[in-house]
Amino acid sequence: AQSVTQLDSHVSVSEGTPVLLRCNYSSSYSPSLFWYVQHPNKGLQLLLKYTSAATLVKGINGFEAEFKKSETSFHLTKPSAHMSDAAEYFCVVSVYGSEKLVFGKGTKLTVNP
Amino acid sequence: DTAVSQTPKYLVTQMGNDKSIKCEQNLGHDTMYWYKQDSKKFLKIMFSYNNKELIINETVPNRFSPKSPDKAHLNLHINSLELGDSAVYFCASSPQLTDTQYFGPGTRLTVL
Repeated sequence: AQSVTQLDSHVSVSEGTPVLLRCNYSSSYSPSLFWYVQHPNKGLQLLLKYTSAATLVKGINGFEAEFKKSETSFHLTKPSAHMSDAAEYFCVVSVYGSEKLVFGKGTKLTVNP
Repeated sequence: DTAVSQTPKYLVTQMGNDKSIKCEQNLGHDTMYWYKQDSKKFLKIMFSYNNKELIINETVPNRFSPKSPDKAHLNLHINSLELGDSAVYFCASSPQLTDTQYFGPGTRLTVL
């Protein structure tokens, strides 16, 4: 069965420093992987999606993620954090053969001035 | 021009009541979903409809009944509300044959 594990429940960075949010996946098939962001009291917004076309996926707001099959990882990065990046981030895998998405438990990103 | 909209945004009610949450999408998508996000922010799918037909039904109490009057709407009706139903409920939609889902703003349900 497909699943994702977000390795950190909380990440704190200073404004202007790099962001790394870690995600490992488990899938018997070539997975579709996503990162979604949820700002406080808001809905979920799609940041980026991996579908095997390219291992480095660029998303909105300067975020990108790299699919590494050998490490079963799909970590989210950003070179320089902004205060507006403070939010909850979810790594998500699509269940093969269905439209079902399986969410990780989320990583709360705090950006300090 | 909201893509996926939900009403109401907040819903506070007493135990035992029956309530509905409405969802509409104007993206022309074929598939719609309901998710529940608990107090620890964990998101889990509840239901999925494709062209008004139920295709995913997770182990949800039968007090929860989705209704899809047309392809653009998927409403969630909850009977005999319990304290444990307090959560944020998200509606989502996706085009056919793709797994990219677009989420609504959520409805925060509080059962007292």
